[in-house]
Amino acid sequence: DTGVSQDPRHKITKRGQNVTFRCDPISEHNRLYWYRQTLGQGPEFLTYFQNEAQLEKSRLLSDRFSAERPKGSFSTLEIQRTEQGDSAMYLCASSSALYEQYFGPGTRLTVT
Amino acid sequence: AQKITQTQPGMFVQEKEAVTLDCTYDTSDQSYGLFWYKQPSSGEMIFLIYQGSYDEQNATEGRYSLNFQKARKSANLVISASQLGDSAMYFCAMLSFSGTYKYIFGTGTRLKVLA
Repeated sequence: DTGVSQDPRHKITKRGQNVTFRCDPISEHNRLYWYRQTLGQGPEFLTYFQNEAQLEKSRLLSDRFSAERPKGSFSTLEIQRTEQGDSAMYLCASSSALYEQYFGPGTRLTVT
Repeated sequence: AQKITQTQPGMFVQEKEAVTLDCTYDTSDQSYGLFWYKQPSSGEMIFLIYQGSYDEQNATEGRYSLNFQKARKSANLVISASQLGDSAMYFCAMLSFSGTYKYIFGTGTRLKVLA
């Protein structure tokens, strides 16, 4: 397995458009996490899945943000009606235990 | 409220020397874990080391060790025998094992290893 993959790697969109990012975790990992990272900051936790169950979503930044993991494998993060403040790196990670997370390369979003 | 503080925005170290990156944390939880991650310029976060709040021994992973002082709420990362490839951002993070899932990161320390 080559690790966590994310698609696309870069996304430029106009304000008000919807965007969707995909994350494919390491195949044997049942936990999946989404983070947002802005310049000069550490990752900010958004949401967490164990298999297909979304166990924590209170940290999603607003109701414009939603995430799914329909079959307990890949996950999508959608941002509706994007705003310039949504410009950031969106990171996905997966794990088989609580202790160690493997991160993907991230999707860099630019909202113009 | 939980918080991770990394007070060193940037550090320099000579190749082959040891360096300590500081991390202090604040939590009222009794059960938690502390982590260090490395983020090279390529952007991918790499897990380095983990310490549980009930672990009595300091964690070690190769050239990385975690100097855990529970009473002082500090979890400093020590890198021995620095290499040029160690130049990167380093993040301290904490996960609470109590109640809702809370995983928070510090603002990071940029380490530059000098030849």
